[in-house]
Amino acid sequence: SQTIHQWPATLVQPVGSPLSLECTVEGTSNPNLYWYRQAAGRGLQLLFYSVGIGQISSEVPQNLSASRPQDRQFILSSKKLLLSDSGFYLCAWSKGASSYEQYFGPGTRLTVT
Amino acid sequence: EDQVTQSPEALRLQEGESSSLNCSYTVSGLRGLFWYRQDPGKGPEFLFTLYSAGEEKEKERLKATLTKKESFLHITAPKPEDSATYLCAVRGTSGTYKYIFGTGTRLKVLA
Repeated sequence: SQTIHQWPATLVQPVGSPLSLECTVEGTSNPNLYWYRQAAGRGLQLLFYSVGIGQISSEVPQNLSASRPQDRQFILSSKKLLLSDSGFYLCAWSKGASSYEQYFGPGTRLTVT
Repeated sequence: EDQVTQSPEALRLQEGESSSLNCSYTVSGLRGLFWYRQDPGKGPEFLFTLYSAGEEKEKERLKATLTKKESFLHITAPKPEDSATYLCAVRGTSGTYKYIFGTGTRLKVLA
C-alpha cells in the first residue's frame, strides 16, 4: 500500500529565516506530487505540482519554491519567510493519468513569528 | 473560472439525525468531483470520486451523489465519530493538474 510522509509536523520560524519542508511517498512510482497551503476558514490553495523529476509548475507567485530531486520526494522551500507564510502545509500525490484521486499527507503546521 | 461553493459552513446534528451537505461547482468540463473528510490538525482523507451526473457512491453512513451543477453528501444516522470537516473538490478538463477546493462544511454530531 501507498504511504505519504511529511516532516516536520510542526515548525515555528522567525520572519526572514529559511524554510525546508519535505514530503516522500512510498509504495508507488512516478506519482504526481502537489503542495497545498490551508489557511483557517479558507480552502486548500494549490502552490506547486510536479509530474516528474525536475518538473515543477507554480500556481501562485510568491516567495516559496519547490523541487523534486527524486521520483518520490517533493521539497518546499523559502529563502526568507514572511508572516503571511504561516499556515498548514499539505503534500499530496495522485497516480497520474490513470486516476485523479489525490491522497494527502499528515501536514506541517508552520508558524512564522 | 472554475469554482466550488460548499454549504452550510457549519452543521450541528443530533446523533441519528440524517442530513445532507451541498457542494455547488462551476467547471469547464468535469474530470472528477472529490469528497474528503478532514479531522482537526490532520490531512484530508479521501472518501469518494464522482465522474458523471447521476453517479452515486456509498461508504458506511455516507452517500455521495452528483448532478451537472452540484453534489450532495448524505449522512444517514450520523454518530459522534462522523464529526469532521468535509471538503469537496473538482478537477476540470482545462488541461492542467489543478484541483479547486471548497472551504468545507464543519459537521458536529452530538451524542
